[in-house]
Amino acid sequence: DTGVSQDPRHKITKRGQNVTFRCDPISEHNRLYWYRQTLGQGPEFLTYFQNEAQLEKSRLLSDRFSAERPKGSFSTLEIQRTEQGDSAMYLCASSLGTGVTGELFFGEGSRLTVL
Amino acid sequence: DAKTTQPPSMDCAEGRAANLPCNHSTISGNEYVYWYRQIHSQGPQYIIHGLKNNETNEMASLIITEDRKSSTLILPHATLRDTAVYYCIVRVYGGSQGNLIFGKGTKLSVKP
Repeated sequence: DTGVSQDPRHKITKRGQNVTFRCDPISEHNRLYWYRQTLGQGPEFLTYFQNEAQLEKSRLLSDRFSAERPKGSFSTLEIQRTEQGDSAMYLCASSLGTGVTGELFFGEGSRLTVL
Repeated sequence: DAKTTQPPSMDCAEGRAANLPCNHSTISGNEYVYWYRQIHSQGPQYIIHGLKNNETNEMASLIITEDRKSSTLILPHATLRDTAVYYCIVRVYGGSQGNLIFGKGTKLSVKP
C-alpha cells in the first residue's frame, strides 16, 4: 500500500500519560499535515511541515503538543500529560508541494481515547 | 472559521443524482472551491475542485455560479458507497497557506 499510513490506529490511555503518534506520508510528498477531529465535527488543522521545516501551527496546538519531522520523511505527534479533552481522531495528510491539484491525501487516522 | 455554509444532512435514492449545495458568499478572486468527502471511520478523500468554470471528473461534477458565491457538487448516479460526509472548502491554490479549513459538512445518506 502506498498511501499515508498512521500508527497506532487506536490508543487508549489514562489522563496524564504521554502518547505519540506516527505518520508515514506518501514517499515523494514533501508536505505533511496534522489534523484533529472530534465526534460530529470536521477535521481541524493543527500543523504542517514542508520537508523538515514546521511552517505553520494552529493555536489549537498547545504547549503539550509537539510535532516533528526530523528527516523530512515520517512525522511524529506527541501529546504530553494527556487530558480527556484530547480524545479525538488525529489525522495525517501529505501532498506534493500544494499538489498537482492542491489535493491532500489523508491517512485513516489514529483514534485517541483518554480515560 | 469555515468560509462555507452547507446543509447538515441530505438523503438521496440509490441510482439518482445527488446534488449537494454550498454557499461561499465571501469567496475571494484567488480562492478555489474544493470538495472532499469522509466515509465513516476513514480519512477525508479529495473529490474535485474548481475556480469558476464547471468541472467534471470520474467521481463528480462541480457547478459554480457565475458570481462564484455558491456551488453544487453533483454525484450523477449515487450508490450506497457514496454515503459519507461531504465537505465544501474554499482555499487559495498554490499559496503559502498550507491548511484546509473544514466546516461540519453535509451528511449524505444514500438509501436503497
